[in-house]
Amino acid sequence: EVQVEESGGGLVQPGGSLRLSCAASGFKFNSYVMSWVRQAPGKGLECVSSISSGSGGSTYYADSVKGRFTISRDNSKNTLYLQMNSLRADDTAVYYCAKQGGGSGSYSDWGQGTLVTVSS
Amino acid sequence: EIVMTQSPATLSVSPGERVTLSCRASQSVSSNLAWYQQKPGQAPRLLIYGASTRATGIPARFSGSGSGTEFSLTISSLQAEDFAVYYCQQYIKWPYTFGQGTKLEIK
Repeated sequence: EVQVEESGGGLVQPGGSLRLSCAASGFKFNSYVMSWVRQAPGKGLECVSSISSGSGGSTYYADSVKGRFTISRDNSKNTLYLQMNSLRADDTAVYYCAKQGGGSGSYSDWGQGTLVTVSS
Repeated sequence: EIVMTQSPATLSVSPGERVTLSCRASQSVSSNLAWYQQKPGQAPRLLIYGASTRATGIPARFSGSGSGTEFSLTISSLQAEDFAVYYCQQYIKWPYTFGQGTKLEIK
């Protein structure tokens, strides 16, 4: 069974940093593109960042987080990361880890999400 | 960035009814279109990818159609568990973008 589980969310002050983790199991982690998708309270979904399969040599970011967030993966630990720096109030959201479907850019499997709250 | 527009924002329907949700892309996405269902407090669930292919375990009452810029999701006979928010998403070009969602309410 495919499972992805996020951790690392919490309350952080504006300008602070946080690192999210996503532990994956039940599939060949290094063979899949992985992404972070966020949802602000009461709002829709936004693709934040994505990383290619294998060594993760290709990374992609939404303009809203470019230069502040860094996505990475450790295939030896089956874990995806999102390093978030210079956090702002509008980064407040539930952050989901999502596995891209094989042969499709859609997200076939999602974690339950971790809440990040940026507030003083 | 490709803008995805869903209509209507809210739809009030009765169980057993047939309903069609619409999604329009600001430029062609070919068939690189997915539909998701999200219930309160839960993660989104993939329903349809490739515009018309049901994801694993999705009931046959869900069907998708369209290509290019116009897409639709049809639920043939609404069940109680189908009342939720539905999102479309394009994945032809980064940033992958979602529509703003259509909320299905019980009439």
